[in-house]
Amino acid sequence: GQNIDQPTEMTATEGAIVQINCTYQTSGFNGLFWYQQHAGEAPTFLSYNVLDGLEEKGRFSSFLSRSKGYSYLLLKELQMKDSASYLCAVKGSGYSTLTFGKGTMLLVSP
Amino acid sequence: DSGVTQTPKHLITATGQRVTLRCSPRSGDLSVYWYQQSLDQGLQFLIQYYNGEERAKGNILERFSAQQFPDLHSELNLSSLELGDSALYFCASSVGAGSGNTIYFGEGSWLTVV
Repeated sequence: GQNIDQPTEMTATEGAIVQINCTYQTSGFNGLFWYQQHAGEAPTFLSYNVLDGLEEKGRFSSFLSRSKGYSYLLLKELQMKDSASYLCAVKGSGYSTLTFGKGTMLLVSP
Repeated sequence: DSGVTQTPKHLITATGQRVTLRCSPRSGDLSVYWYQQSLDQGLQFLIQYYNGEERAKGNILERFSAQQFPDLHSELNLSSLELGDSALYFCASSVGAGSGNTIYFGEGSWLTVV
């Protein structure tokens, strides 16, 4: 099976940097995804890591350590519109589909 | 706009009834997924189809069924509805079925069972 843990809630200030952690335990590993989801809307793809290291994409970066079963999403220069739920999702081996964590609700305040 | 289209956007129905949710994947995508999202459970994987064939099954109830048609659109059928089935149902699609394929989500269908 797969188990994914991430904090339930985080708060940060506009303009700051925030790191959202995700730990996982899976039977096989074929990549880790981060999605952003605003309330009542569709999850939107942010990043994909399959090898160890940091992937940077604008204000967002994602890091993966396969040996530690650990990833983080780093958001820089926070904006009010970044207030959303951030979902960590892991793809297991073979044809297994994405398993999602319960999400981290990020609240950005002025 | 992800390119995944779902209908209806909102649906209110009574317990014991049956509903059908429809999904058109992004152009070129062969794989379709169905997810259920409720407040306390997060995104739960229900079922996946690839090019018309069932590929993977998650925590889908026996009262629920799905299929993918030759034109690649998919339908999720929910029957004998219960209050607890009230949730946001997402369809998603990807090009392939294996690793590395990014899954793109539709806007979802809000189902309320009263």
